[in-house]
Amino acid sequence: GAVVSQHPSRVICKSGTSVKIECRSLDFQATTMFWYRQFPKKSLMLMATSNEGSKATYEQGVEKDKFLINHASLTLSTLTVTSAHPEDSSFYICSARDQTSKGGGAYEQYFGPGTRLTVT
Amino acid sequence: AQTVTQSQPEMSVQEAETVTLSCTYDTSENNYYLFWYKQPPSRQMILVIRQEAYKQQNATENRFSVNFQKAAKSFSLKISDSQLGDTAMYFCAFMKPGYGNKLVFGAGTILRVKS
Repeated sequence: GAVVSQHPSRVICKSGTSVKIECRSLDFQATTMFWYRQFPKKSLMLMATSNEGSKATYEQGVEKDKFLINHASLTLSTLTVTSAHPEDSSFYICSARDQTSKGGGAYEQYFGPGTRLTVT
Repeated sequence: AQTVTQSQPEMSVQEAETVTLSCTYDTSENNYYLFWYKQPPSRQMILVIRQEAYKQQNATENRFSVNFQKAAKSFSLKISDSQLGDTAMYFCAFMKPGYGNKLVFGAGTILRVKS
């Protein structure tokens, strides 16, 4: 149980175009999902918290107009990188909480396999 | 703000031996959760172990166990009988319930298991 998928696993796009990354919780409902960015051999940097049915909460320094997040259902959140530039090239990871879990399990985050974005 | 420190950027261990990864954190909170996540070369993040701060007993999961010292704000991970598949980057993470339930990650430790 508690599987999170991401699509696509890797994408190459041209500078100036937009790209959408999907994050799905496959066997549980997630009112909250998280989007991270990770550089090689570095830690995960939280970009934003995606809330089902409401606006996302962005971390300081993250441009909300550039990284659009939509959490339209209890199993799907999307991250759209608009007007992509080479500096947006990175590994993007989503995670979700299974809030129906009991006790401490409700606070575990289950991670997707990540999406490697390359902007040329 | 909470911070998590992993002071060992890289470590190596021989197969079948035991290794301990260190983690310290800074918080004024009393109720929180601590996690160790593993990120193998596939880059899929995998939960290794979870510790609730209100529990004095150290969490264990098969070959993985923690030494949780609340007063010292220390949360080390011990891997016994190391296997080649344990080669990965290990992240220590802190979470305070209610504050957006966000995970605060340490910088990570790259562990290499040698045959």
